[in-house]
Amino acid sequence: DIQMTQSPSTLSASVGDRVTITCRASQSVSTWLAWYQQKPGKAPKLLIYKASTLQSGVPSRFSGSGSATEFTLTISSLQPDDFATYYCQEYQSYPWPFGQGTKVEIK
Amino acid sequence: EVQLVESGGGLVRPGGSLRLSCAGSGFTFMKYAMSWIRQAPGKGLEWVSGITGSGADTYYADSVEGRFTISRDNSKNTLYLQMNSLRAEDTALYFCAKDSSSTMAVVFDYWGQGSLVTVSS
Repeated sequence: DIQMTQSPSTLSASVGDRVTITCRASQSVSTWLAWYQQKPGKAPKLLIYKASTLQSGVPSRFSGSGSATEFTLTISSLQPDDFATYYCQEYQSYPWPFGQGTKVEIK
Repeated sequence: EVQLVESGGGLVRPGGSLRLSCAGSGFTFMKYAMSWIRQAPGKGLEWVSGITGSGADTYYADSVEGRFTISRDNSKNTLYLQMNSLRAEDTALYFCAKDSSSTMAVVFDYWGQGSLVTVSS
């Protein structure tokens, strides 16, 4: 099975910072990668699919890039509403695993 | 507005059974695959099971294969997860999620709020 590894596990940042989260796959998933945001006590929300396609309604400060085994989620200017946990997920191969998550905290 | 509302969670003893339901509205239910995804307390997300829009094809994680059964009733716009032989490690918040395709694209564009399942004696 493909393994997904995110780094860092926790990230402390301030409002206005540029934030980058990395997701690595144990083997190539082409661009079959999605990113989700989850706030405490809430359901996850789809941000990006196909590695770089922004889901409708998601602010343009979010962007995704990468292919094969290395991917990044970037928030260009962190806003108060962005403090949350972010998960990557590959959807090329069963069992379609998620990364372990990256928590973005207030510095 | 797309809405997914789960129900049926609760406290069950190890070895017991539970059936979760997920009522969908605001979209043409039969046109989309659906999945169950769970999150153990304080942990990450784990895809559990999925079903195509027609219901013809079902998929399971190894951890639940043979114990859980996914199904859907498109006439009632409802997704189900029958969980048997429950174990402590099945304790989690179970989300139902709408797929972006009728087949298993496994990109989840809408999620319910979750139904808590606790397996404990």
